[in-house]
Amino acid sequence: KAGVTQTPRYLIKTRGQQVTLSCSPISGHRSVSWYQQTPGQGLQFLFEYFSETQRNKGNFPGRFSGRQFSNSRSEMNVSTLELGDSALYLCASSTGLAGVTDTQYFGPGTRLTVL
Amino acid sequence: AQTVTQSQPEMSVQEAETVTLSCTYDTSESDYYLFWYKQPPSRQMILVIRQEAYKQQNATENRFSVNFQKAAKSFSLKISDSQLGDAAMYFCAYITTSGSRLTFGEGTQLTVNP
Repeated sequence: KAGVTQTPRYLIKTRGQQVTLSCSPISGHRSVSWYQQTPGQGLQFLFEYFSETQRNKGNFPGRFSGRQFSNSRSEMNVSTLELGDSALYLCASSTGLAGVTDTQYFGPGTRLTVL
Repeated sequence: AQTVTQSQPEMSVQEAETVTLSCTYDTSESDYYLFWYKQPPSRQMILVIRQEAYKQQNATENRFSVNFQKAAKSFSLKISDSQLGDAAMYFCAYITTSGSRLTFGEGTQLTVNP
């Protein structure tokens, strides 16, 4: 079974721009979660989607948003980029059965650099 | 709020020897999952081992095993017969059975010396 895929792998943007990152979960997985990883803050939860609905959201500003499609693929969008948004963005998928998120399997990440 | 603490920012081990990474967590929940993930230089987060809190038996995956002490809220990872490929950042993580967000520790950078 193919793993979690994320595109693009690397991205360079300038302040004020917006960016969209994509994540395709493992086949059969219905839950997709997003995390931000930075040297200073470590790994922080952004949000989780299950069956096209946001089920949980972390403590990030409204500039960070996401969505999930009927095929479980997910996108996250960051608008009005700031220097501090430079990070590795990790996507993880799980079966999400019965509304429970158990073992999450991660993609390779998207490295976003904001200049 | 749940917290996960890894008190060892760095550890090193000789190839073929055994090393133990420490993790403690704080929660008021009774049912949850605990994980160890490794993140090599490629930055891919790889699942190493998982433990369900309701299981008293410690999880084992080949050379990797855990020492789960629920009352002490401790969850250490033992790597036996260390290999060069084990070198990575190791993260301890927690999730409740009703939640959807993983809470990670700060990570332990493991170096394996030949």
